[in-house]
Amino acid sequence: QKEVEQNSGPLSVPEGAIASLNCTYSDRGSQSFFWYRQYSGKSPELIMSIYSNGDKEDGRFTAQLNKASQYVSLLIRDSQPSDSATYLCAVNPDSRYKLSFGAGTTVTVRA
Amino acid sequence: DGGITQSPKYLFRKEGQNVTLSCEQNLNHDAMYWYRQDPGQGLRLIYYSQIVNDFQKGDIAEGYSVSREKKESFPLTVTSAQKNPTAFYLCASSPGLAREQFFGPGTRLTVL
Repeated sequence: QKEVEQNSGPLSVPEGAIASLNCTYSDRGSQSFFWYRQYSGKSPELIMSIYSNGDKEDGRFTAQLNKASQYVSLLIRDSQPSDSATYLCAVNPDSRYKLSFGAGTTVTVRA
Repeated sequence: DGGITQSPKYLFRKEGQNVTLSCEQNLNHDAMYWYRQDPGQGLRLIYYSQIVNDFQKGDIAEGYSVSREKKESFPLTVTSAQKNPTAFYLCASSPGLAREQFFGPGTRLTVL
């Protein structure tokens, strides 16, 4: 079983819609969770960090964490063409220095 | 202007050559990392360093070497022992344990 798994893409959403991305992790002791956005040919950019159960909102992005079910999700509201990218879920297993990354979900926002 | 710099942006290597990729950060972060990304795939950890003069192997360290002589610098050498080195190499730094990582712009290495 992979440490971090993301729903397979690509995910195509119309402009203005909500994009929903899911991520599950295997290490129950994980404490830190991150979402990165990666445009084609570029490096990953941190967009959200979440450390406790519940929702965390930042602009059009909402991260949701459920440690009991071992999943973390990212919602992108009012999707824009500029949101078209690959989104990487990263988990810090058991408070170590390393992050475990998912393979990413590619989102395409169509006008 | 704080951040992480990597050089060169593009690098071409002949078979049998060693090459060194540069990574510098001025964020005063203790931890630094090297990842490799292949087309359509996620990030794989090569090496990481929690503190100066100390580093640990990641998941795919074979054929690579690193040094951490200064807090700001964490160069990666891709040796001739790395059989398939063509990839996008990403350096990252982190302020500490269980914290977020910030990435440099990357170096794209191609073996000719």
